[in-house]
Amino acid sequence: GQQLNQSPQSMFIQEGEDVSMNCTSSSIFNTWLWYKQDPGEGPVLLIALYKAGELTSNGRLTAQFGITRKDSFLNISASIPSDVGIYFCAGSAPAGNKLTFGGGTRVLVKP
Amino acid sequence: ETGVTQSPTHLIKTRGQQVTLRCSSQSGHNTVSWYQQALGQGPQFIFQYYREEENGRGNFPPRFSGLQFPNYSSELNVNALELDDSALYLCASSLGGKGETQYFGPGTRLLVL
Repeated sequence: GQQLNQSPQSMFIQEGEDVSMNCTSSSIFNTWLWYKQDPGEGPVLLIALYKAGELTSNGRLTAQFGITRKDSFLNISASIPSDVGIYFCAGSAPAGNKLTFGGGTRVLVKP
Repeated sequence: ETGVTQSPTHLIKTRGQQVTLRCSSQSGHNTVSWYQQALGQGPQFIFQYYREEENGRGNFPPRFSGLQFPNYSSELNVNALELDDSALYLCASSLGGKGETQYFGPGTRLLVL
């Protein structure tokens, strides 16, 4: 079945740094979504991408839908403490009705 | 505009019991999808309901069943609970019976003892 590989699994950030994470798939998707999940809560939609090559921003967040339709990345610029959490990529296959999720990237603050 | 709501927030059951979880979709949305999220993992698709009909199912046994009502709210029922059913159950609503742009509720945390 479809699998999404998300990397890195975890990362430490220092306030002001830019961070980047990505997802790759074994098959093509026609929609890529990026979510953030805080402990004990449901995922919150950050950015939705619908077209290969599309680059979309939402404040300090920027995400791109890869040209091959098998990958996507998310960048966070000038990170702040509230960026801490778990970020998930999710994809929807052509004619599909479900989202397939990556394993998540846990963003932590450098001690 | 109200977002996706779920009830209850937490639930404790014992093995073999049955449980019903509820979800109200975001206003204007006609599609509800249910996901199971084990600790430390991404959500896994259980099934989707579109216009009161099941519209796709993931790799879950038949003891996981659901309903969608005319107002597009939905229920997830799990029979014969097993310890491995302990998880966060998420409901997501969307428009049009596809996988695109799903908005999630806060989830129901189920613990099976």
